[in-house]
Amino acid sequence: GAVVSQHPSWVICKSGTSVKIECRSLDFQATTMFWYRQFPKQSLMLMATSNEGSKATYEQGVEKDKFLINHASLTLSTLTVTSAHPEDSSFYICSAKGLENYNEQFFGPGTRLTVL
Amino acid sequence: GQSLEQPSEVTAVEGAIVQINCTYQTSGFYGLSWYQQHDGGAPTFLSYNALDGLEETGRFSSFLSRSDSYGYLLLQELQMKDSASYFCAVENTNAGKSTFGDGTTLTVKP
Repeated sequence: GAVVSQHPSWVICKSGTSVKIECRSLDFQATTMFWYRQFPKQSLMLMATSNEGSKATYEQGVEKDKFLINHASLTLSTLTVTSAHPEDSSFYICSAKGLENYNEQFFGPGTRLTVL
Repeated sequence: GQSLEQPSEVTAVEGAIVQINCTYQTSGFYGLSWYQQHDGGAPTFLSYNALDGLEETGRFSSFLSRSDSYGYLLLQELQMKDSASYFCAVENTNAGKSTFGDGTTLTVKP
């Protein structure tokens, strides 16, 4: 089946630093990747939609300059949290869709970010 | 705007059948999906309904009524490992993005 990986699985950083999270589709080409944020016991909130070779589309209220998304290839998208602050601490999850089974989103295992 | 409603918690015993309902109000509709998420893990896809009717996959079934803006997930022969959060999600654009409900925490008891 389709596999999506995320790296790192967890990260702890100091306030003010930037953190990059990678999302890779391992055995399929992802035409679209999505980035979500999830706080404890809450739902998944879509942050942005990323298509290879084009700029990401951000949801309302998500700061583009703070959450930089790059979709460099059909198998890799990165999310960079710039100048992270404690309120950015959350579970960040990516998902990917390919051309086959387009109705299904394949989720990565998530990255738990803790900003001190 | 988009809104989805599903019960926050459901409790059932092993071997039982449980139904988790989802009603939605969205500006566009392409399909309704269901995802399972265990504590600390990532969501996993369970089902997708684009047309009215029942889709069956093993012990799980999903139903959609587009005219009623309503769907449900049916879990049969419950097992302890089914204890998890279940999210309904509406795909509301042709860009493939989805809006998720707040999730239903299912607790299966012996």
